[in-house]
Amino acid sequence: RKEVEQDPGPFNVPEGATVAFNCTYSNSASQSFFWYRQDCRKEPKLLMSVYSSGNEDGRFTAQLNRASQYISLLIRDSKLSDSATYLCVVNIGPGGYNKLIFGAGTRLAVHP
Amino acid sequence: NAGVTQTPKFQVLKTGQSMTLQCAQDMNHEYMSWYRQDPGMGLRLIHYSVGAGITDQGEVPNGYNVSRSTTEDFPLRLLSAAPSQTSVYFCASRPHGTNTEAFFGQGTRLTVV
Repeated sequence: RKEVEQDPGPFNVPEGATVAFNCTYSNSASQSFFWYRQDCRKEPKLLMSVYSSGNEDGRFTAQLNRASQYISLLIRDSKLSDSATYLCVVNIGPGGYNKLIFGAGTRLAVHP
Repeated sequence: NAGVTQTPKFQVLKTGQSMTLQCAQDMNHEYMSWYRQDPGMGLRLIHYSVGAGITDQGEVPNGYNVSRSTTEDFPLRLLSAAPSQTSVYFCASRPHGTNTEAFFGQGTRLTVV
């Protein structure tokens, strides 16, 4: 079983739609959680961290359920510029080193 | 700001050749990592380092060596290239801490023929 699993998509949605991505992780010792965005043929970049209480950044909302080992990302009012692959990332490691494990990504395509 | 610099951006190797992918960061980050990205597989961790002189294996270390003689540099060596090593390679660095952001280089597209 992969350590971090995501639905690969693609999710094809019209502008203005709300779309949600889910991610599950297998290691209960995981310490921190992130969503990264990767544009085609580019390097990944941090979209947002995911906190236990849930957090929001503009149109983006991230949720964490430690009991179910589940992370989600909600995008409201989708823009064309949101088209990208969204990577769920889990930080595994005791204390100091943070071994970042990436999911395979969920592809989003927003159309006019 | 340079951030994380990877060279080369593109490389074609013949089976059995060796080469070194370079990675340098100017942010004084303790942690550095190498990933490979294949279609449908996401990023897989090859090797990582928590500081100068300290390295460890990730998920897919076979066929690769690393060293970390300085904080800034973390080269990845392919000892004897194989077609299965055709991939996009990303180097990343991040500061110490559990919730810190990882910064990636622009990637190296490697083809082994």
